[in-house]
Amino acid sequence: AQSVSQHNHHVILSEAASLELGCNYSYGGTVNLFWYVQYPGQHLQLLLKYFSGDPLVKGIKGFEAEFIKSKFSFNLRKPSVQWSDTAEYFCAVSPYGQNFVFGPGTRLSVLP
Amino acid sequence: DTEVTQTPKHLVMGMTNKKSLKCEQHMGHRAMYWYKQKAKKPPELMFVYSYEKLSINESVPSRFSPECPNSSLLNLHLHALQPEDSALYLCASSQPRTGVENIQYFGAGTRLSVL
Repeated sequence: AQSVSQHNHHVILSEAASLELGCNYSYGGTVNLFWYVQYPGQHLQLLLKYFSGDPLVKGIKGFEAEFIKSKFSFNLRKPSVQWSDTAEYFCAVSPYGQNFVFGPGTRLSVLP
Repeated sequence: DTEVTQTPKHLVMGMTNKKSLKCEQHMGHRAMYWYKQKAKKPPELMFVYSYEKLSINESVPSRFSPECPNSSLLNLHLHALQPEDSALYLCASSQPRTGVENIQYFGAGTRLSVL
């Protein structure tokens, strides 16, 4: 069965620290990859997506992610986090346009 | 406009009540989804409608009954729910075609409490 794993359940960082959240998936075919963010009390928002082409994709709010096909990974990065980045982050995989499979989520807490 | 609108935002119901959740989008999307999200967990897919026809039912109990009256609207009818059904119910929409770039847009959700 397809699955998505996220390496960390809860990450705590100080402001200005660098962030990397891991995501791995188990599907062997072509996939669309996504990172969604859910701020406290708010709805899921798309941070960035990868469909094809350059494996390094840039999203909103200074986030970027790198697709490494050989590692089945799509890690999210940000060079310098802010307190306002405190949220739940979900990696999602869509096997070539089919339904989404979400990872379990990583809670990011940024200390001011 | 990339908005998916869900009403109500909050709902409290007893176990014998009948209520409905509503979802609306005007992006011309022909696939609509219901997800259930418990606190600090990822969304779990419940139902998928594609071109107004139910295409996926992820073994959801019959006390949840989806309805897609037209391409812009999606309802979730609730009856005789249990306290463990309390959760955030999310609606999403997308283009239904496989093999193409496909993004799901999510509504803000309805936070349901079953007493």
